[in-house]
Amino acid sequence: KNEVEQSPQNLTAQEGEFITINCSYSVGISALHWLQQHPGGGIVSLFMLSSGKKKHGRLIATINIQEKHSSLHITASHPRDSAVYICAVTPYMDSNYQLIWGAGTKLIIKP
Amino acid sequence: DGGITQSPKYLFRKEGQNVTLSCEQNLNHDAMYWYRQDPGQGLRLIYYSQIVNDFQKGDIAEGYSVSREKKESFPLTVTSAQKNPTAFYLCASSPLEGPYEQYFGPGTRLTVT
Repeated sequence: KNEVEQSPQNLTAQEGEFITINCSYSVGISALHWLQQHPGGGIVSLFMLSSGKKKHGRLIATINIQEKHSSLHITASHPRDSAVYICAVTPYMDSNYQLIWGAGTKLIIKP
Repeated sequence: DGGITQSPKYLFRKEGQNVTLSCEQNLNHDAMYWYRQDPGQGLRLIYYSQIVNDFQKGDIAEGYSVSREKKESFPLTVTSAQKNPTAFYLCASSPLEGPYEQYFGPGTRLTVT
């Protein structure tokens, strides 16, 4: 079993829909990361969070440390949101600060 | 602008040839990383370096080599010993004291035939 699991693996939705991508992890963490990879391949960090909730524009990330679960929400989705969304965690007390990566969720928003 | 550059974006090589992928950063980050990404799979760590002249193997280091002669530069050589080198390669950097966000370059897509 992977230490970081994302669901769904693939998601197709219509423009305007509210999107939720989930991430569950099995290790103690000091931070959780959400990143976005566009079809061209470049990866951009969206959020790094260790508790509660963060918002940036139409993107919202939440984390529940007790349940070892995080969600990424996209409100009023748009075709330009089509990308792979990746969840990663920084394990607690890892002196090398290496990230453990999820496999990603491929999101397609149709106009 | 600060960032990470990787070159080239696309690289084609014949089987049996070594090839070096470039990664440069001007973010003054101590740590640098090389990842490999295959279709439908998560990122896998090849090598990382936390300080000049020192680097550590990641999960899939076999068939790869790196150097860190300068803080700004962390080139990756894909050797002929790498059995399946065709992949997308991503370089990243971060501050050393974490947790931190990693900053990624645009990637190099290597095709070996």
